Amino acid sequence: DADVTQTPRNRITKTGKRIMLECSQTKGHDRMYWYRQDPGLGLRLIYYSFDVKDINKGEISDGYSVSRQAQAKFSLSLESAIPNQTALYFCATSDGIQGSTDTQYFGPGTRLTVL
Amino acid sequence: AQSVTQLGSHVSVSEGALVLLRCNYSSSVPPYLFWYVQYPNQGLQLLLKYTSAATLVKGINGFEAEFKKSETSFHLTKPSAHMSDAAEYFCAVSGPGNQFYFGTGTSLTVIP
Repeated sequence: DADVTQTPRNRITKTGKRIMLECSQTKGHDRMYWYRQDPGLGLRLIYYSFDVKDINKGEISDGYSVSRQAQAKFSLSLESAIPNQTALYFCATSDGIQGSTDTQYFGPGTRLTVL
Repeated sequence: AQSVTQLGSHVSVSEGALVLLRCNYSSSVPPYLFWYVQYPNQGLQLLLKYTSAATLVKGINGFEAEFKKSETSFHLTKPSAHMSDAAEYFCAVSGPGNQFYFGTGTSLTVIP
């Protein structure tokens, strides 16, 4: 079984709809991250969490919110989706032991299309 | 501020030829640098990372990268390309608060 899973894997929604992307991990890691990937822009950090009570904004948090329900679960919400939020979304985890040199472990991604 | 620049969004090499993917960094402090690979329809996985222990870093699948402070570079190389190396490659740097900043990616095509 995969260590980092994301649901759904694909989602098509309409402008203005609320949508939640979910991430679960079995690696026992404290740190979790949400990124979006756009062609030509690479990966950009949306939010990150170093433990259940520690949530931080990343580079592009506007229009997004997150919830860390447990060590193993980190959800990303789009309160009112807009077309420019169409992207590939990745969840990642790290153990935090090495800090700045942590290896990140990525989920398979969620492809979101906002019409 | 930390950032990385990947020169060349697309690189094509013949099977058996040298692979060279370029990454230059900008950092206000000694950087920690990473190369990740993304195979089609998959998430990213770590190829190698520079943690200041050694300037030449060896990774998985025969890849290696050399940290050159004077050139602010961390280029990824492999002596002989294999068809299975076709993927997208991302350079990344860690920054304040243990955030990670990724480059825009280089798509590698291997021609048989």
